[in-house]
Amino acid sequence: ILNVEQSPQSLHVQEGDSTNFTCSFPSSNFYALHWYRWETAKSPEALFVMTLNGDEKKKGRISATLNTKEGYSYLYIKGSQPEDSATYLCAFNNAGNMLTFGGGTRLMVKP
Amino acid sequence: KAGVTQTPRYLIKTRGQQVTLSCSPISGHRSVSWYQQTPGQGLQFLFEYFSETQRNKGNFPGRFSGRQFSNSRSEMNVSTLELGDSALYLCASSLSGDWTQPQHFGDGTRLSIL
Repeated sequence: ILNVEQSPQSLHVQEGDSTNFTCSFPSSNFYALHWYRWETAKSPEALFVMTLNGDEKKKGRISATLNTKEGYSYLYIKGSQPEDSATYLCAFNNAGNMLTFGGGTRLMVKP
Repeated sequence: KAGVTQTPRYLIKTRGQQVTLSCSPISGHRSVSWYQQTPGQGLQFLFEYFSETQRNKGNFPGRFSGRQFSNSRSEMNVSTLELGDSALYLCASSLSGDWTQPQHFGDGTRLSIL
């Protein structure tokens, strides 16, 4: 059983704050790392799929980095807005087998 | 382009019954994966189908099964339902099932076991 950990479990920030969270995964047999945003009453939405060590991806105010050698990925949100409130999930894939999800980081942005 | 469609949205069953959930992927997507979401366990992989073949299976008992049809639509079946099977069941599709592509999720079927 693969261990994918996300921290923190939950986070409260003020509108305008920048924030980041961590996804830790096994550093062996890395194939891909996914990030999803899951808003309440909606379906999970793909943010990024990262495959290469040192990869950096950006989508608007959200960006992510990847370190496969040490087994972690960071997700950054710059200037958080209330609409960023959601649970952010990472998912690890090893050698093309299946996706193992972390427990998620629940972000709440106060106006 | 229509998204991933899951039916039904809600379902109530009693222990011992069986249930079938349906998933229609995005047009052109050939891979369909199923996931179970429970408060205690988070999102867990059930299985993945590609071209009517189950390619990968998660750590679930044999009561959980599925199939995929030639049009890529997929069904998931759970037999002899237990209280612990109460969960949100999500399906997701991707173009080729290469895990370097994102999963596109449906809205899920919420199953409650009484």
